Amino acid sequence: GAGVSQSPSNKVTEKGKDVELRCDPISGHTALYWYRQRLGQGLEFLIYFQGNSAPDKSGLPSDRFSAERTGESVSTLTIQRTQQEDSAVYLCASSFFYRNTEAFFGQGTRLTVV
Amino acid sequence: GENVEQHPSTLSVQEGDSAVIKCTYSDSASNYFPWYKQELGKRPQLIIDIRSNVGEKKDQRIAVTLNKTAKHFSLHITETQPEDSAVYFCAASTTDKLIFGTGTRLQVFP
Repeated sequence: GAGVSQSPSNKVTEKGKDVELRCDPISGHTALYWYRQRLGQGLEFLIYFQGNSAPDKSGLPSDRFSAERTGESVSTLTIQRTQQEDSAVYLCASSFFYRNTEAFFGQGTRLTVV
Repeated sequence: GENVEQHPSTLSVQEGDSAVIKCTYSDSASNYFPWYKQELGKRPQLIIDIRSNVGEKKDQRIAVTLNKTAKHFSLHITETQPEDSAVYFCAASTTDKLIFGTGTRLQVFP
């Protein structure tokens, strides 16, 4: 596709369940970011992938959160044992790393934990 | 790691007035400073960016200035219009991850 694609668009889950969010970056983009945006709040950095380098996981809020990326393709963000405070929009973005240029965002996944 | 602070958190202006949003960053190695606009319910989109070898950049009604010595950069919107109402985020990056400020909610009243 032409842009960053995220799925699902919306996810409602019960507290305690695990969820998996998917991000398809723009083809050729080596850098991929995950951010969390709570209602009316800013963009909270979660994790950053750059090519085959070890990811920067410094923003993950707890060990319930994990993410994977295979090469320069799809990434999945997994939240285990979801809590109500995990409710937010999870945004993925990708960019050309070596050109230090625009990061393009996906439309986000709205996660609601009930 | 990089820390970006952004002020003000909310800004209300009359249509036609100017709006200024300011950001400071902590990592002197940062060399790329984009600004994103997020309209209600939509994804953030780049509106302008500046690199560390440039002090000012302008694109029609928006401009960004960068002071590397003081480690701050600003977004200036002139002749504001109601469609400028949105949340604006600044960000800073080295060749590493992109860190965003906390956002400024701009409201332009007709």
